[in-house]
Amino acid sequence: GAGVSQSPSNKVTEKGKDVELRCDPISGHTALYWYRQSLGQGLEFLIYFQGNSAPDKSGLPSDRFSAERTGGSVSTLTIQRTQQEDSAVYLCASSLDPSGELFFGEGSRLTVL
Amino acid sequence: GNSVTQMEGPVTLSEEAFLTINCTYTATGYPSLFWYVQYPGEGLQLLLKATKADDKGSNKGFEATYRKETTSFHLEKGSVQVSDSAVYFCALSDTTVGTGGSYIPTFGRGTSLIVHP
Repeated sequence: GAGVSQSPSNKVTEKGKDVELRCDPISGHTALYWYRQSLGQGLEFLIYFQGNSAPDKSGLPSDRFSAERTGGSVSTLTIQRTQQEDSAVYLCASSLDPSGELFFGEGSRLTVL
Repeated sequence: GNSVTQMEGPVTLSEEAFLTINCTYTATGYPSLFWYVQYPGEGLQLLLKATKADDKGSNKGFEATYRKETTSFHLEKGSVQVSDSAVYFCALSDTTVGTGGSYIPTFGRGTSLIVHP
């Protein structure tokens, strides 16, 4: 597809379960970002990839959160032992140039019961 | 570090009213500045941008001028429409990497705009 694709679009899970969120960026975009958008809050930066490496993991809220990117393309954000405070919309964005325009997916809405 | 501060919402206007959404920033380098818009049920998309001081970004009747002296990038539109109802995010991306700088785009908290007929 032409845009950034995220899946699943909606995920409801029980507290304590693990979840995986997937992001398929625009082909050729070397920079990939994960943000979290909570109700009434702005965009909280989680992690940034340049190619397959993650030079900045400073935004990951805890060691329950991890992410990887393979082949300079698809990225997976994994949340282990989910908690209710993890409920949010997780946004992925990609960019040709780290200092330029970001192209966002529609997000994955996570609800932890 | 970098930061973006934008006015609290919601902003509620009647159709054809004048819109201003204030945005100020703090940056260690020479940032590019952006406004993104998120329409209901959709992802964020770029509305306009400016890459250096005194540049004016414009799109769909919206405009914003990069003011280095006041570290501001206020969004304006002369006559809003119901279809402009959305959440607007001001953002910066630092164009230099150095002590305290990063390539991580920094976003404001977003301002909800509601336009009534």
